[in-house]
Amino acid sequence: GDSVTQMEGPVTLSEEAFLTINCTYTATGYPSLFWYVQYPGEGLQLLLKATKADDKGSNKGFEATYRKETTSFHLEKGSVQVSDSAVYFCALQNSGGSNYKLTFGKGTLLTVNP
Amino acid sequence: DVKVTQSSRYLVKRTGEKVFLECVQDMDHENMFWYRQDPGLGLRLIYFSYDVKMKEKGDIPEGYSVSREKKERFSLILESASTNQTSMYLCASRTGGATNTEAFFGQGTRLTVV
Repeated sequence: GDSVTQMEGPVTLSEEAFLTINCTYTATGYPSLFWYVQYPGEGLQLLLKATKADDKGSNKGFEATYRKETTSFHLEKGSVQVSDSAVYFCALQNSGGSNYKLTFGKGTLLTVNP
Repeated sequence: DVKVTQSSRYLVKRTGEKVFLECVQDMDHENMFWYRQDPGLGLRLIYFSYDVKMKEKGDIPEGYSVSREKKERFSLILESASTNQTSMYLCASRTGGATNTEAFFGQGTRLTVV
């Protein structure tokens, strides 16, 4: 079945450091790929998405490129801020009849220190 | 603003009780989901519903059931609560029929079973 593997956390960075969170996936067909973010005490919200190979999703300075050849969707940001401290989830959404199931990785906790 | 509302932020229940977690969305979405979130395990799908009265088991349905009598409401039922069901429960909804649409999440219900 479908699966998502993302780098284990926690990740601790200083403000303005470069961020990479690795994500790889296993899926049949042509899934859509997502990064969701969960700020403390809140539910998940969409950060960015990409729906086909070589698409780049971007939002709030974060970027990720859908790489079909390496089955990856790594999240990057050039300069993190304290307000980026959160849990980040990589996810994929595949089709299968009417069952458009969303499959998540285990999440990566990011802490950014001033 | 789009909204997914879970009826309680915090619940404490006794072992053996029947527990109802309610979720309501105001976006006329076809698909609705219940996940549980545990440290180190990420989000695991309990059940999802792709239309009114339609449901499918997710990855960990044991000990749970669901009800979707109206499009906007999706209820998770713990038939006889046990301490290993202590967790954060997240409800989500999304438009059906495509793989690239965003899922919207509620703020979560933290359930403690004592």
